[in-house]
Amino acid sequence: DIQMTQSPSSLSASIGDRVTITCRASQIIGRSLNWYQHKAGKAPKVLIYGGSTLQSGVPLRFSGSGSGTDFTLTISDLQPEDFATYYCQQTYSPSSITFGQGTRLQIK
Amino acid sequence: EVQLVESGGASVQRGGSLRLSCAASGFTFNTYRMSWVRQAPGKGLEWVSSISSSSATIYYRDSVKGRFTSSRDNDKNSLYLEMSSLRDDDTAVYYCARVPLNYVGSESYYLMDFWGPGTLVTVSP
Repeated sequence: DIQMTQSPSSLSASIGDRVTITCRASQIIGRSLNWYQHKAGKAPKVLIYGGSTLQSGVPLRFSGSGSGTDFTLTISDLQPEDFATYYCQQTYSPSSITFGQGTRLQIK
Repeated sequence: EVQLVESGGASVQRGGSLRLSCAASGFTFNTYRMSWVRQAPGKGLEWVSSISSSSATIYYRDSVKGRFTSSRDNDKNSLYLEMSSLRDDDTAVYYCARVPLNYVGSESYYLMDFWGPGTLVTVSP
């Protein structure tokens, strides 16, 4: 299986900050990397697919970059509703999809 | 409006069986791959299984192979997960998700664009 490693595991930031979360794949996955936001008690929400394509309806302050094995999710101008847990996901191997372990973004 | 609603979650004894359902509406169900994803208490998201639109291709994570069976009824717009020989580490909220294949230029990517609210499965000793 392709292992996905996110860092950091948790992060504290303030409203208006810019934060970056990284995700590393254990092998080359092209750009088959998605990012999700998950809030407790709610359904996960896809933010970015194909490494850098913003899903319809997602605010422009979210952006993704990377290819191969290294990827980043950047949130500019943090808003109160952005505090959540973020996951990367590889779909390069659709027979064995894997998620990163998650990054919990908390208010400082 | 796309809607996915899971049902069937319950408390079950170790070694028992359970069938989860996911009712889909608001889209052409028979044209989409679907997946099951779970989240154990205090843990992250974990992919469980995917099934193609025609049921021709079904994938499972290793830890559930031989114990879980995914199926779908396209006439009823429904997805199912039959779980047997349940173990303590199967305790989780189970989500169903729609899996489109989106194109960016000439490249295509799977993603999970709509999810249900989840249903809780608790396996007790």
